Amino acid sequence: DTGVSQNPRHKITKRGQNVTFRCDPISEHNRLYWYRQTLGQGPEFLTYFQNEAQLEKSRLLSDRFSAERPKGSFSTLEIQRTEQGDSAMYLCASSLGFEGYGYTFGSGTRLTVV
Amino acid sequence: SQQGEEDPQALSIQEGENATMNCSYKTSINNLQWYRQNSGRGLVHLILIRSNEREKHSGRLRVTLDTSKKSSSLLITASRAADTASYFCATAPLDGGSNYKLTFGKGTLLTVNP
Repeated sequence: DTGVSQNPRHKITKRGQNVTFRCDPISEHNRLYWYRQTLGQGPEFLTYFQNEAQLEKSRLLSDRFSAERPKGSFSTLEIQRTEQGDSAMYLCASSLGFEGYGYTFGSGTRLTVV
Repeated sequence: SQQGEEDPQALSIQEGENATMNCSYKTSINNLQWYRQNSGRGLVHLILIRSNEREKHSGRLRVTLDTSKKSSSLLITASRAADTASYFCATAPLDGGSNYKLTFGKGTLLTVNP
């Protein structure tokens, strides 16, 4: 197992375009989380899946954002009609879902909207 | 919103010295975790301390938790240049039930000078 994998590592897009990021979690982990991190800040929660069910979405996740986790395996995060304020590092993490376990994070996708 | 608040925001020390970072939080917790993030990378889980524990050790790391003061500290002993990174505390809510969602602070940037 190579840990949590995120693709692409970097994405530069023009304002108004749609972008999609992919996260492959550790295969035994049933929980998957998306966070967003801007410069100088800690990660902010966006959404979370238990298996294929999306159980919580932050109010930060406007209707331009959508996340899926088909069949409880990999997950995608799509941002439609990107805005400059969407520029950030998008982090994916997975966990076993038992109390007392930490998250395993991927290396993140750095999004720059120009 | 961010639950934890790390202090100091930045810390610069010489190799071999000890580094202490503090975290304060607002609501009751199930556990508190510390993560490290190297520049431009994902976060790495360092250590977890449960709400009924007061102190925990892992290698050169020592974590304390004072639930009455809603605070925690992370001590890195005999620091090395490779310890240079941002350090974040993260809390899991007491009333989260099966929603094991972590809330992160803004982090402490540690610089260890060779």
